[in-house]
Amino acid sequence: QVQLQESGPGLVKPSETLSLTCTVSGDSISNYYWSWIRQPPGKGLEWIGYIYNSGSTNYNPSLKSRVTISVDTSKSQFSLELASVTAADTAVYFCAGGRGWLPDSWGQGTLVTVSS
Amino acid sequence: EIVLTQSPGTLSLSPGERATLSCRASQTVGNNYLAWFRQNPGQAPRLLIYDASNRATGIPDRFSGSGSGTDFTLTINRLEPEDFAVYYCQQSAHSPLTFGGGTKVEIK
Repeated sequence: QVQLQESGPGLVKPSETLSLTCTVSGDSISNYYWSWIRQPPGKGLEWIGYIYNSGSTNYNPSLKSRVTISVDTSKSQFSLELASVTAADTAVYFCAGGRGWLPDSWGQGTLVTVSS
Repeated sequence: EIVLTQSPGTLSLSPGERATLSCRASQTVGNNYLAWFRQNPGQAPRLLIYDASNRATGIPDRFSGSGSGTDFTLTINRLEPEDFAVYYCQQSAHSPLTFGGGTKVEIK
């Protein structure tokens, strides 16, 4: 089973872009669906989107206009960018992956706070 | 978008008892691509059940999933301390992937 680890700033200012990276180990980054999922404090889970293989992406329509997910196979990493953030984007962000759409392996999560 | 509604919101039980959790979908979940996750405080969700009734690797047999179409159930026999947590159902049949609102299993 793969291991995933999120990294990136824990504090982002309103209107700026949130950027996170997930490093994958334990298997090739190819042939997996790599997702980002978030969880506001005390609330439920929201799927943000995924990237597959050579770069095919699928985003949640609720965030699609602000989201970009990319992959760097040479570094075994994939990344999330969320533009024009507000306080409503404050959440724990998880990276996750699986052979199909089901995210069966998860990172530990990283808290990102949007505040000036 | 498939909306998943979980019930009850909170379940109060004692260790050793059985828990029965429900997940209802707003439309048919194709191929029964319905999963269950357990989330303990401060941790990432952990996959328990996939495709409605298949236990994930390393998951003990006190966990079982059933159901099809729009109605799904997670049963936990003989609750152990680590089972007092929040449980989420999730569908991977239709985009966007969606999660239920969660059921909290608390110690009575």
